[in-house]
Amino acid sequence: GQQVMQIPQYQHVQEGEDFTTYCNSSTTLSNIQWYKQRPGGHPVFLIQLVKSGEVKKQKRLTFQFGEAKKNSSLHITATQTTDVGTYFCAGQGNYGQNFVFGPGTRLSVLP
Amino acid sequence: DSGVTQTPKHLITATGQRVTLRCSPRSGDLSVYWYQQSLDQGLQFLIHYYNGEERAKGNILERFSAQQFPDLHSELNLSSLELGDSALYFCASSEGTGWNMNYEQYFGPGTRLTVT
Repeated sequence: GQQVMQIPQYQHVQEGEDFTTYCNSSTTLSNIQWYKQRPGGHPVFLIQLVKSGEVKKQKRLTFQFGEAKKNSSLHITATQTTDVGTYFCAGQGNYGQNFVFGPGTRLSVLP
Repeated sequence: DSGVTQTPKHLITATGQRVTLRCSPRSGDLSVYWYQQSLDQGLQFLIHYYNGEERAKGNILERFSAQQFPDLHSELNLSSLELGDSALYFCASSEGTGWNMNYEQYFGPGTRLTVT
């Protein structure tokens, strides 16, 4: 079945440093979504990418969808303590497979 | 506030028991999804309903069942509970029509189930 992996599992950064998490799917995805879950909170939608090679920016966050539509990345520039949380990617295959979430990358930001 | 409500917030019950978790989607959303999140784990998709009909099934155990009612609220029934069923159960809703899940999902606050 379709599998979605994320690396790293954990990342500790000093405030002001950059952070990147990578998402890889075993199959081609029709779309990919990114969610953020703060400690003790629920997942909150960040963005969706649909096109091959698509790049979207939200302030300090840059999202990229790979050319083959099998991988994606989220890059945060100059992290802040408010960026703390777990970042999940999620996607659905091209043939209507179930929507699958990656295991997430937990980000800690040290002030 | 996502507009998705879930009750109860917390539930503590014993092994072998049966519980029902309730979810009310955002106004206007016809799709409801259920997810299980165990401690420090990712989100496991359980089931998706659209306008009362089951659309997709994920890793949902046979002891678990769900339904979506005409007023669009949904219930997740968990029976013959085991210790391993202790988890956070999230409901999400979207304006998606069903098969294609390329719509933003709005998550509720979750129900924390503890089985003792």
